[in-house]
Amino acid sequence: NAGVTQTPKFQVLKTGQSMTLQCAQDMNHEYMSWYRQDPGMGLRLIHYSVGAGITDQGEVPNGYNVSRSTTEDFPLRLLSAAPSQTSVYFCASRPDRGNTEAFFGQGTRLTVV
Amino acid sequence: QQQVKQSPQSLIVQKGGISIINCAYENTAFDYFPWYQQFPGKGPALLIAIRPDVSEKKEGRFTISFNKSAKQFSLHIMDSQPGDSATYFCAASKAGGFKTIFGAGTRLFVKA
Repeated sequence: NAGVTQTPKFQVLKTGQSMTLQCAQDMNHEYMSWYRQDPGMGLRLIHYSVGAGITDQGEVPNGYNVSRSTTEDFPLRLLSAAPSQTSVYFCASRPDRGNTEAFFGQGTRLTVV
Repeated sequence: QQQVKQSPQSLIVQKGGISIINCAYENTAFDYFPWYQQFPGKGPALLIAIRPDVSEKKEGRFTISFNKSAKQFSLHIMDSQPGDSATYFCAASKAGGFKTIFGAGTRLFVKA
């Protein structure tokens, strides 16, 4: 049971570099989302998707892009990394938009220098 | 704006004691209130959840108390154990909604 898989687990970027955080789930969940976790701030929603081809912005979308070409994959792209994007990123999925359990990946710790 | 306020930020409890974490919400449209537990280096995992049609839900040593009129809910951990040491997040969402709003988190340390 893989669940939600995120890669990489750790990444260091220089300011201005771009990269893609990968997220894949094998539970056939329609709903996927990306959060960032910062001390004292809890989990803040960056972007979410309600199905292949459908994405929307969350609370803190600036500087990030997403796409959803398949049900399984939901990559998060940093276009031009900034130190303010240093954070731990979590991908989550759940079966639908109803009130159901969200399953989280193990996170990607990103440092931008 | 923070729609779910969680307190305390950190908590130290003796083994065998009761840990209590409180949350307050603003949006009366919220109707699902989960608690997530997160161990270091791991993603959050659902611990227990409640809907507003009940005032209390208990699963083992973990209990959620819900006060709809006060728009508050809390997590009680009875007989706290060192293995309960983790970060706990309360959250809220509304029926048919896509977004779950999380509290800021509480770091719990249970002393042996």
